[in-house]
Amino acid sequence: DVKVTQSSRYLVKRTGEKVFLECVQDMDHENMFWYRQDPGLGLRLIYFSYDVKMKEKGDIPEGYSVSREKKERFSLILESASTNQTSMYLCASSSPDREKLFFGSGTQLSVL
Amino acid sequence: GEDVEQSLFLSVREGDSSVINCTYTDSSSTYLYWYKQEPGAGLQLLTYIFSNMDMKQDQRLTVLLNKKDKHLSLRIADTQTGDSAIYFCAEKPGGSYIPTFGRGTSLIVHP
Repeated sequence: DVKVTQSSRYLVKRTGEKVFLECVQDMDHENMFWYRQDPGLGLRLIYFSYDVKMKEKGDIPEGYSVSREKKERFSLILESASTNQTSMYLCASSSPDREKLFFGSGTQLSVL
Repeated sequence: GEDVEQSLFLSVREGDSSVINCTYTDSSSTYLYWYKQEPGAGLQLLTYIFSNMDMKQDQRLTVLLNKKDKHLSLRIADTQTGDSAIYFCAEKPGGSYIPTFGRGTSLIVHP
């Protein structure tokens, strides 16, 4: 089975802090994604990466950056956390045929 | 742009059938998906259908696709309390990396 692992289940940070959310997949998938999930808004794509060191902006990239130095790891960075970035963050990778997405368990981030 | 619409809530009695509906606008959609999210967890792929099919059945789950009306439905037979979750509809054109998700339907199953 594909495993997508997010390093933290819950995180609490202060306004202005730099925050790193880590995601690792074990199936050698090329494509990886970061979404945020908010009640009533569903999933919104922040960034995705289709190869090492390659990234593309999604629908809501403002306030975020990403890093993909190794194929298995995709990091989401909040350069200066703000309260409106309090959310559930979901990482995903897609199968080589791009047919299916596999999600991690999510990181619930609270910015105080 | 592309849009996927689904109602936000559905409440059913245990043992009844549940039908969750979804409409989409992108006529180039090739793949149509149903994902399930249990409380506190990520999304799990439940089932998916190609646009050249009109029905897919997998145990208690039946997916129906009306391509002309761009309408997708998920029927869960004999709904159980363990089926309580958020169900997301999604669509993706064949050449695209990225599916478009609906906002999710919260299914509440009560005794």
